[in-house]
Amino acid sequence: DTGVSQNPRHKITKRGQNVTFRCDPISEHNRLYWYRQTLGQGPEFLTYFQNEAQLEKSRLLSDRFSAERPKGSFSTLEIQRTEQGDSAMYLCASSLGVGQFTEAFFGQGTRLTVV
Amino acid sequence: AQTVTQSQPEMSVQEAETVTLSCTYDTSENNYYLFWYKQPPSRQMILVIRQEAYKQQNATENRFSVNFQKAAKSFSLKISDSQLGDTAMYFCAFIFNNNDMRFGAGTRLTVKP
Repeated sequence: DTGVSQNPRHKITKRGQNVTFRCDPISEHNRLYWYRQTLGQGPEFLTYFQNEAQLEKSRLLSDRFSAERPKGSFSTLEIQRTEQGDSAMYLCASSLGVGQFTEAFFGQGTRLTVV
Repeated sequence: AQTVTQSQPEMSVQEAETVTLSCTYDTSENNYYLFWYKQPPSRQMILVIRQEAYKQQNATENRFSVNFQKAAKSFSLKISDSQLGDTAMYFCAFIFNNNDMRFGAGTRLTVKP
């Protein structure tokens, strides 16, 4: 399977715990996006990488959230001291951009439930 | 601010009929791309159709076509000959120069047999 892969698919955690999600993009894709989606809503932009550089962060991404993309390959999204409001689907997408915009391919998401 | 608005939270259509989903956006950019994505229940998001803002011709992909009105900042999706498998959430998305892709709140489309 050469699509975007996200792990885990589901995560249940207690309030106050830290969680980390992983996204493996399509191998040749240089752009990687993280979104958060709550039930019945559209994806909300969190952050974006071009290769290993984090180019933009939404103000939704509080200081409890951090994302990395070492070596421009896979990416991790960590949420520290989780809150119930963090419960959502976290989506990762990747695209190949060389001077132009191209289609973003999405993973199946990681559903986080904070209890 | 760059925003995307989908004013129809839910729509339904009879199988084989045609339905149009609306989307408006707000931007001061001149170079951007517009997309419609489909998210079936419990499945991942997939691209339906894309439109480059510099192209006047409306994009078409089989049964899916768009009506792109740049001056009005409108980007509607027409689905012809609707099929049961078209039942899904549909999201309008917009990407501009800094590569930040923004989505609307979505329209839940139900195709009825």
